[in-house]
Amino acid sequence: QKEVEQNSGPLSVPEGAIASLNCTYSDRGSQSFFWYRQYSGKSPELIMSIYSNGDKEDGRFTAQLNKASQYVSLLIRDSQPSDSATYLCAAGYPMGSSNTGKLIFGQGTTLQVKP
Amino acid sequence: EADIYQTPRYLVIGTGKKITLECSQTMGHDKMYWYQQDPGMELHLIHYSYGVNSTEKGDLSSESTVSRIRTEHFPLTLESARPSHTSQYLCASSEYRGTGGDEQYFGPGTRLTVT
Repeated sequence: QKEVEQNSGPLSVPEGAIASLNCTYSDRGSQSFFWYRQYSGKSPELIMSIYSNGDKEDGRFTAQLNKASQYVSLLIRDSQPSDSATYLCAAGYPMGSSNTGKLIFGQGTTLQVKP
Repeated sequence: EADIYQTPRYLVIGTGKKITLECSQTMGHDKMYWYQQDPGMELHLIHYSYGVNSTEKGDLSSESTVSRIRTEHFPLTLESARPSHTSQYLCASSEYRGTGGDEQYFGPGTRLTVT
């Protein structure tokens, strides 16, 4: 079982719609979670981090964390063609772990926003 | 705004050559990382460092080596390049936040082709 799992997609949504990207993680000790956006041929760019249960909003992006269900999601409102990219979910190792600071990345979900 | 730089951005080199990929950051981050990523594939951690004179191997076995003599500089060296080393190499850095996982900021990457 992969430690951070994402559906590879592609997820296709029309322009203006809400895109919902999902991620599950296996280590209950993880306390920090991150969403990265990666355009084809480019490096990952951090777009959201979340540490507490609930929602965190930043512009058109909302990250949601449910530690009981070990589930993280990213909502993109009013999706634009420029949002078309691969979105990587990452979880931090538990505090006190010898791997502290390191991130476990999922395989990424490809989002296609159609005009 | 993350300030992390990688040179060269693109490198085409013949088999058997020694190469060094440069990575520098101006944020004063203690932690630095090297990832390898093939097109459309997952990120794989190959090396990391938690500070000067600290280097560790990552989750993916790599024939490369790294050094960390200065906080801001984390070069990666391949003593004898082979076609199997063809890939994109991504450098990242992070600051300790005490949450188990840190926000990592990526450089633009070096795309290496070994002929």
